[in-house]
Amino acid sequence: AQSVTQLDSHVSVSEGTPVLLRCNYSSSYSPSLFWYVQHPNKGLQLLLKYTSAATLVKGINGFEAEFKKSETSFHLTKPSAHMSDAAEYFCVVSFNQAGTALIFGKGTTLSVSS
Amino acid sequence: GAVVSQHPSWVICKSGTSVKIECRSLDFQATTMFWYRQFPKQSLMLMATSNEGSKATYEQGVEKDKFLINHASLTLSTLTVTSAHPEDSSFYICSARWEAGSNSPLHFGNGTRLTVT
Repeated sequence: AQSVTQLDSHVSVSEGTPVLLRCNYSSSYSPSLFWYVQHPNKGLQLLLKYTSAATLVKGINGFEAEFKKSETSFHLTKPSAHMSDAAEYFCVVSFNQAGTALIFGKGTTLSVSS
Repeated sequence: GAVVSQHPSWVICKSGTSVKIECRSLDFQATTMFWYRQFPKQSLMLMATSNEGSKATYEQGVEKDKFLINHASLTLSTLTVTSAHPEDSSFYICSARWEAGSNSPLHFGNGTRLTVT
């Protein structure tokens, strides 16, 4: 069965320290993977996407993610957190060619303290 | 590019009334748009897929007569919550794809906060 698991519901970091938000998926199909960010009472904004090209994907605002097929993971990282990074982050996986079978992770709340 | 505009951003209505939410793709044509509902501190739940010129496809458990979807043009889909009740209070978000296929990311509107009193 297809599934997406965000391993941490809440991550807290200090400003200037690295960020790691974890996402694992389960699929028999080679998926497309996305990370989105949501600020309070806003829609979702695309951070980055993996679509079977380079396994290390660079996104906006200094975020990047590495696709590891052997580990079925697509963890999101940033070398140095900023206060403005505090938000909800969603890992999203597309499981079919048409892109209509999307599964959203449950989300990870990132808190950044000064 | 690929901007999705959602209106209104928030609405308060009385129980029993209907509310219409608009989702527009501003700089691209979207044959398919998606409607989601999000409860506090939770992920997005897909309600329905809106198809231009045809009937929407609803997810299991979503009442078609309660949540009316109309996709009358390639740039506009509307969600009407009919005879709203307090339990319909939620955050509703629409999204659209700039191009078809699994590689193409979704572009989201800013959401509509519906409060039914």
